Amino acid sequence: AQSVTQPDIHITVSEGASLELRCNYSYGATPYLFWYVQSPGQGLQLLLKYFSGDTLVQGIKGFEAEFKRSQSSFNLRKPSVHWSDAAEYFCAVASGGNRDDKIIFGKGTRLHILP
Amino acid sequence: DVKVTQSSRYLVKRTGEKVFLECVQDMDHENMFWYRQDPGLGLRLIYFSYDVKMKEKGDIPEGYSVSREKKERFSLILESASTNQTSMYLCASSFLAEAFFGQGTRLTVV
Repeated sequence: AQSVTQPDIHITVSEGASLELRCNYSYGATPYLFWYVQSPGQGLQLLLKYFSGDTLVQGIKGFEAEFKRSQSSFNLRKPSVHWSDAAEYFCAVASGGNRDDKIIFGKGTRLHILP
Repeated sequence: DVKVTQSSRYLVKRTGEKVFLECVQDMDHENMFWYRQDPGLGLRLIYFSYDVKMKEKGDIPEGYSVSREKKERFSLILESASTNQTSMYLCASSFLAEAFFGQGTRLTVV
């Protein structure tokens, strides 16, 4: 069965600092991987996705993520965070766009930004 | 843009009531999902559907049922609401495994 682990519940960084949010997945084949962001009081918005090909994917708002099959990881990065990046971030895995595909989410990482 | 609409943003129901949460999507997606979101637990899959009248249990289906009579509509039913079902409920539809979410329904059971 698919599963997703986000080992950090909370992360605090200073504005302008770099950011890395960790995500590990469990799935037998090549998964489809996603990062979503949820700002306070808002719905979930897709940041980026990986299906195949280049293992470094670019997303919106200056985010990127790297798929590492050997480590079963899909970590999210941003070189310089802004106060508006304070939100909760969710990693998700799907089995590959099949008809009966289900999408499993991690427990989330809440990002706090220090001024 | 894909639009997923949940019928209510906030609901307050009494213990034992039958509760219906409605979700409609306008992009002809085959797959639809119901999740509940609780602090520290992330999004947990309750049920999903990949076609009309088809449903699959997710990780926490107990106490819930679903209905999908039309492709665009996916309903979550709490047969007898309990206080431990107080939560944020999120509906989504998907295309090529990418999920599109509604704004959520915050349900309080008193």
